[in-house]
Amino acid sequence: GESVGLHLPTLSVQEGDNSIINCAYSNSASDYFIWYKQESGKGPQFIIDIRSNMDKRQGQRVTVLLNKTVKHLSLQIAATQPGDSAVYFCAEPRGDTGRRALTFGSGTRLQVQP
Amino acid sequence: DAGITQSPRYKITETGRQVTLMCHQTWSHSYMFWYRQDLGHGLRLIYYSAAADITDKGEVPDGYVVSRSKTENFPLTLESATRSQTSVYFCASSDFGTAQETQYFGPGTRLLVL
Repeated sequence: GESVGLHLPTLSVQEGDNSIINCAYSNSASDYFIWYKQESGKGPQFIIDIRSNMDKRQGQRVTVLLNKTVKHLSLQIAATQPGDSAVYFCAEPRGDTGRRALTFGSGTRLQVQP
Repeated sequence: DAGITQSPRYKITETGRQVTLMCHQTWSHSYMFWYRQDLGHGLRLIYYSAAADITDKGEVPDGYVVSRSKTENFPLTLESATRSQTSVYFCASSDFGTAQETQYFGPGTRLLVL
């Protein structure tokens, strides 16, 4: 079945450094991935997505890399700021819901040290 | 532009009581979802709905009931609350009318069952 997971539960970085959050998936047929950011006390917020026909996609200060060979994706945040402190989830559509609902990983907490 | 709202934001109840969590979206999205978020489990799908009067079970539906009489509302009812239903509940919506298959989340309801 589908499985989306994360390598590191907590990542601590210095303000201004780059952050890399990793995510592994198990289904080689997975073709769409989404990164969400969840700040304390709030709901998940869409950051960026990527389809399997791409290896890389860039947004504002964020880049997602997809390595289909090893079934791994990463979220890179450039010049990390205190406002980036949050839990980050990777997610993908659930096949058992006609790709309508999402399966989420357990999340990585990013702590930005001033 | 309210987007998606949930009420109440916090709720304390006792075992055996019926509790209803409300979700309202102003985008006229066709799809709506309920997830629960527990430590160590990430977000898990409870129920989802493709349109008014169409609902389907998700990953953890036992003990919950949903209805969707209007497109904009998707209430979740715990018929007889149990301590294991203490959690944070998130409602989400999506229209799937764009290239993105993502969902937009409400702020969550924190439920404590004593």
